[in-house]
Amino acid sequence: GAGVSQSPSNKVTEKGKDVELRCDPISGHTALYWYRQSLGQGLEFLIYFQGNSAPDKSGLPSDRFSAERTGGSVSTLTIQRTQQEDSAVYLCASSPGTANYEQYFGPGTRLTVT
Amino acid sequence: EDQVTQSPEALRLQEGESSSLNCSYTVSGLRGLFWYRQDPGKGPEFLFTLYSAGEEKEKERLKATLTKKESFLHITAPKPEDSATYLCAVQDRSSNTGKLIFGQGTTLQVKP
Repeated sequence: GAGVSQSPSNKVTEKGKDVELRCDPISGHTALYWYRQSLGQGLEFLIYFQGNSAPDKSGLPSDRFSAERTGGSVSTLTIQRTQQEDSAVYLCASSPGTANYEQYFGPGTRLTVT
Repeated sequence: EDQVTQSPEALRLQEGESSSLNCSYTVSGLRGLFWYRQDPGKGPEFLFTLYSAGEEKEKERLKATLTKKESFLHITAPKPEDSATYLCAVQDRSSNTGKLIFGQGTTLQVKP
């Protein structure tokens, strides 16, 4: 079946602009995660969605970052007033839910802030 | 605080030269330990989940093992196509989210 998809694959933006990154999880997966992978850094957790529950936003680095998940499926990560330190690969992962914790990752969006 | 440390950072092998990658972890309560493979420009690809000390899992030339403090990814007779970055991650039993805590990865290069 289809895996996790993300768009765009690459995004170049000017400092101060807003960007939206999209994630389509595997069909039927109830859990969705966003991670960030910076050069020289490991993957770091950003936000978690599970079904219709309130998201866990504990990993978001600042209030410029927000995310939503519509209809329990597609998710959008928004970064407002982008800064150069936001340059990274943003990865989305989905998981079947509470009974199985394996996470399957998408190809990522490479964000470059100039 | 949960922590994952992988070693070595980089490993160069000749084709057919077996070796092991190490993942040391500190977690209040382990729910699961995960191994992923990541090729350049791609997202991590799931390999294994290990849940309890003594558990082992195999896939082709890869074998993952788990103790109470570390995990090893053994690569037997590697081929050039095994070249990639291998990531280890843990889930803390106390976490409600199941978020993964990753190590920095080991970049493996297998030369023909």
